[in-house]
Formats: sequence, structure tokens, C-alpha cells
Amino acid sequence: GAGVSQSPSNKVTEKGKDVELRCDPISGHTALYWYRQSLGQGLEFLIYFQGNSAPDKSGLPSDRFSAERTGGSVSTLTIQRTQQEDSAVYLCASSPLGLAGAYEQYFGPGTRLTVT
Amino acid sequence: AQKITQTQPGMFVQEKEAVTLDCTYDTSDPSYGLFWYKQPSSGEMIFLIYQGSYDQQNATEGRYSLNFQKARKSANLVISASQLGDSAMYFCAMRERGGGADGLTFGKGTHLIIQP
Repeated sequence: GAGVSQSPSNKVTEKGKDVELRCDPISGHTALYWYRQSLGQGLEFLIYFQGNSAPDKSGLPSDRFSAERTGGSVSTLTIQRTQQEDSAVYLCASSPLGLAGAYEQYFGPGTRLTVT
Repeated sequence: AQKITQTQPGMFVQEKEAVTLDCTYDTSDPSYGLFWYKQPSSGEMIFLIYQGSYDQQNATEGRYSLNFQKARKSANLVISASQLGDSAMYFCAMRERGGGADGLTFGKGTHLIIQP
């Protein structure tokens, strides 16, 4: 595909359930990022991947959040035991390079997560 | 302290007028990058313009220019000849290189409304 894709576009889940959010970056982009956008907190950085490794997990809000990336491509963000404060739009972005270059990040359309 | 400050929560501007969206930043890292993104009501994040801390000239991209005043730690976005389609949220963001982190830090955004 031409851009970053994310699935699902919308997810409604009950409090306490686990959810998986998927991101498919632009082909060839080695760097992948997850962000969260909520009314109260604005846009927050969650985690960054360079290839399959995650050198920066500093933004993950709690140990209920985890992410992995396989094959240097698709990434999955998992939220365990969801809480209502996890409700937000989760945005994925990719860029050609990470620390080595000053490249813009291309964002996907996001997954809107609602925890009831 | 906030790393990115956007002091204008909302702005109303007449079509065809020039617009300046304010952004100030705070960092002790000598190497950093500044970005502006546009987010229309559809939710997608659209990259507009980038300025590196060592760039000698202000960045320009079509109708967008970045008024970079390094000593004042200011990186205002200027939109010339505004159009109705410019109505959106605008986010200023920073990427610091020295700390090893690679995620963008975003400001709270400015909601720009262009009036006919």
C-alpha cells in the first residue's frame, strides 16, 4: 500500500479485556512509532522501533502496554486488562530512518479505542 | 515544564489572509528537529514542514514557511494566502537527538478556522 495502514479503525471493548492493535508501515521504512491521542493528554509518544528492536519504550504508560514488531514490518500494540482511561486514538507512524536522519514521520489513520 | 508550547488554542482567520501559528520549544539538546503537522477533522496527521536546529535558512514548502528564531526557541508556522481547506488542527512537534529517544514531542495544538 501507499501509506501506513492500521486496523481495526474502531474498537470497542469491555473494561478488563485485552486488545491488539495492528500497524502496517510504509514498505521499506525501518523506523516505526506508536502514539496515543486523547482529549486530556494530547498526543503522547508510546514506543519506537528501529527494525525489530525497541530502543525506546519510555512512553509506555504502564506494564499493561506492550508492543512487538516482526520481520521489520508489521507491529502490534497490545493492551492487557484495558481500563477506561485507555480510551483514545492510537496512531502509528513510520519513517525511512530513525536516529540517523531527520526524516518526517508518516502517520496512519489511527485506531479509535473505546473501553466501556 | 512543557517542551512544546502552542499558546493559541484557537484562531479565526479570513480566507486569503496570512496566518502565523505560534510555537516555542524547550530543549538543552544542541541537535534537534522541529516539525509541523496538520490534522483535519478526518483525523489523519499530515506532515507540513521540517526545520533542523543547524539549518541556516528558514524552511519553506509551498504556502508554508517556518519562522525559526533559534535564540528565542521559537518555530512559528506561517501560512500564506489561507484557504478554506486549511481549517484544521495544527501541531508543532520536536525531536531531540541527544537523549537517544526518537519519538516526537507534540504541543497541544492550535485549532485554525478559515472563514470565507
